Amino acid sequence: QVQLVESGGGLVKPGGCLRLSCAASGFTFSDYYMNWVRQAPGKGPEWVSYISGSSSDINYADSVRGRFTISRDNGKNSLYLQMNSLRAEDTAVYYCATDPQPRDLGYWGQGTLVTVST
Amino acid sequence: DVVMTQSPLSLSVTLGQPASISCRSSQSLVYSTGDIFLNWFHQRPGQSPRRLIYRVSNRDSGVPDRFSGSGSGTDFTLKISRVEAEDVGVYYCMQGTHWLWTFGQGTKVEIK
Repeated sequence: QVQLVESGGGLVKPGGCLRLSCAASGFTFSDYYMNWVRQAPGKGPEWVSYISGSSSDINYADSVRGRFTISRDNGKNSLYLQMNSLRAEDTAVYYCATDPQPRDLGYWGQGTLVTVST
Repeated sequence: DVVMTQSPLSLSVTLGQPASISCRSSQSLVYSTGDIFLNWFHQRPGQSPRRLIYRVSNRDSGVPDRFSGSGSGTDFTLKISRVEAEDVGVYYCMQGTHWLWTFGQGTKVEIK
């Protein structure tokens, strides 16, 4: 069955950087679009970014464009999110998510918490 | 961005009674293929969102048949025919038709 396991979250100061990872299993990773979705404390989920199986199609929310970079390594069945110039408003649980039809978003990991604070 | 507006924002329901959540989008969610990418999720505290319904009315595997989704265009509804204790939590609608894919604010369901 589909398994997604995020890691790499933690406490970072404003202006700092962090790299999140998502280890995938149970499906042909290179065939699937992958997504990062975040959820600030007490708020609803918010899309961050997606990447196609071949990495040829990438998109970002305006709130992170130019600061975050999504990437993947199909040989390692892994998804990444490089987060630079972090702000307090980036504090959230970050989930990786996928689906055979990317717009359906049926599979989510357990999330990793990123806290941006002094 | 497409704004998804849910109502009510909170719901207190007696066990065994029905519940209904509305979700309205600021634009039609009909994609160029004719599909409507409107999903419903349930989230319990400390857990990831779990999808219940995809493309308006398709129930996910393992989701009880007391959950149903309906709607078209810009107006959608999630119904629970008989609320059970395990149904408490927050329900979100989500549209995947227009980038940026967006979620509603959430509807908190509790037992009266």
